[in-house]
Amino acid sequence: DAKTTQPTSMDCAEGRAANLPCNHSTISGNEYVYWYRQIHSQGPQYIIHGLKNNETNEMASLIITEDRKSSTLILPHATLRDTAVYYCIVIRGTSYGKLTFGQGTILTVHP
Amino acid sequence: GAVVSQHPSWVICKSGTSVKIECRSLDFQATTMFWYRQFPKQSLMLMATSNEGSKATYEQGVEKDKFLINHASLTLSTLTVTSAHPEDSSFYICSAGEPLAKNIQYFGAGTRLSVL
Repeated sequence: DAKTTQPTSMDCAEGRAANLPCNHSTISGNEYVYWYRQIHSQGPQYIIHGLKNNETNEMASLIITEDRKSSTLILPHATLRDTAVYYCIVIRGTSYGKLTFGQGTILTVHP
Repeated sequence: GAVVSQHPSWVICKSGTSVKIECRSLDFQATTMFWYRQFPKQSLMLMATSNEGSKATYEQGVEKDKFLINHASLTLSTLTVTSAHPEDSSFYICSAGEPLAKNIQYFGAGTRLSVL
């Protein structure tokens, strides 16, 4: 699976959009971009995933660049409850759920 | 979304004893479940893949005789930490996948193990 690079930490004001970047320059054609988050002392939570088109669900939007070498997770109106570690994971569609977690980005949402 | 229940959420045990952690998929069947371990301020590390009706597959460096995994039904996997020692103290988390989209994993709430 392709390696990902994320900033160690980011801050965001409550109510503003949080834009979390992920670099995956070695991604191959059959690999998807998945985002999970882990709130302190809880199990991770699936957020969204995509292959090449932008995606949106009730939690977030995922913007993938045309060359697929990077992506951005957008939380449109961050709340204090969005404070968590966000993991960007690149994985083949046939991996059947075997996830490799990097260090992720610690997002802190401030009042 | 689907729910994965993990029990207990917190356990304290004496060194040398064994501890069993349960992971259940509540509203779906899971032929495969995963077990992770997370030390403070570190990321999740995959320990093993639990396969229903067959032996678990362990990641490199994980002792299969110390971390016994049983997946006897389509909704239950157990992890037993045998002869626990203080260095086994950690946060253990299980996951199971959406049946039709297995890379969407649902995680248990985790079990915090403290070995005295």
